[in-house]
Amino acid sequence: AQKITQTQPGMFVQEKEAVTLDCTYDTSDQSYGLFWYKQPSSGEMIFLIYQGSYDEQNATEGRYSLNFQKARKSANLVISASQLGDSAMYFCAMRGPFIQGAQKLVFGQGTRLTINP
Amino acid sequence: NAGVTQTPKFRILKIGQSMTLQCAQDMNHNYMYWYRQDPGMGLKLIYYSVGAGITDKGEVPNGYNVSRSTTEDFPLRLELAAPSQTSVYFCASSYSLGATSNQPQHFGDGTRLSIL
Repeated sequence: AQKITQTQPGMFVQEKEAVTLDCTYDTSDQSYGLFWYKQPSSGEMIFLIYQGSYDEQNATEGRYSLNFQKARKSANLVISASQLGDSAMYFCAMRGPFIQGAQKLVFGQGTRLTINP
Repeated sequence: NAGVTQTPKFRILKIGQSMTLQCAQDMNHNYMYWYRQDPGMGLKLIYYSVGAGITDKGEVPNGYNVSRSTTEDFPLRLELAAPSQTSVYFCASSYSLGATSNQPQHFGDGTRLSIL
């Protein structure tokens, strides 16, 4: 069975600092993918970044990067130069093998990030 | 720019009542999903669909039913509402460029459901 663990229930960071949100995963599958989603207080789920298990390079999307360490089964999200608008819940999610092309995502419990001015 | 639209946004039900949560997407996505998010927790998959007429169970399907008669719509039905079904429900969709596409799921804004 797949499992995602986010060990930081809450984090407080000063504006403009970099922040790392931890995510470890457990799976016996060779093919899998890891997603990060942001959930602001308004409640919607916003896709941030994706890393595939066979991708050799760490994924980057603007201020977001994913520190993927396959041997340690970790997929940490790094946000550079944090902004007040980054305050939100952040979820790490894992996709296992495709089922007829469908992605069955397993989510972690989330980390609440608060950016202080 | 509608994307994934969920209705209603909020609903209060009495124990034993039934209701249907509506989900529609206008992106011509073939895959659709229903999740529930309990307070302080991550999302859990209830049901998913790979196309019109094809649905399958996710991690927590008990107490729910789905149907997919069109590509656009994927309603979720609660037959006998129970307090344990108090949650926020999210519908999502994605498309596939092939059997192993990694396109992200696009989420609706959620339906907050309370069973009293």
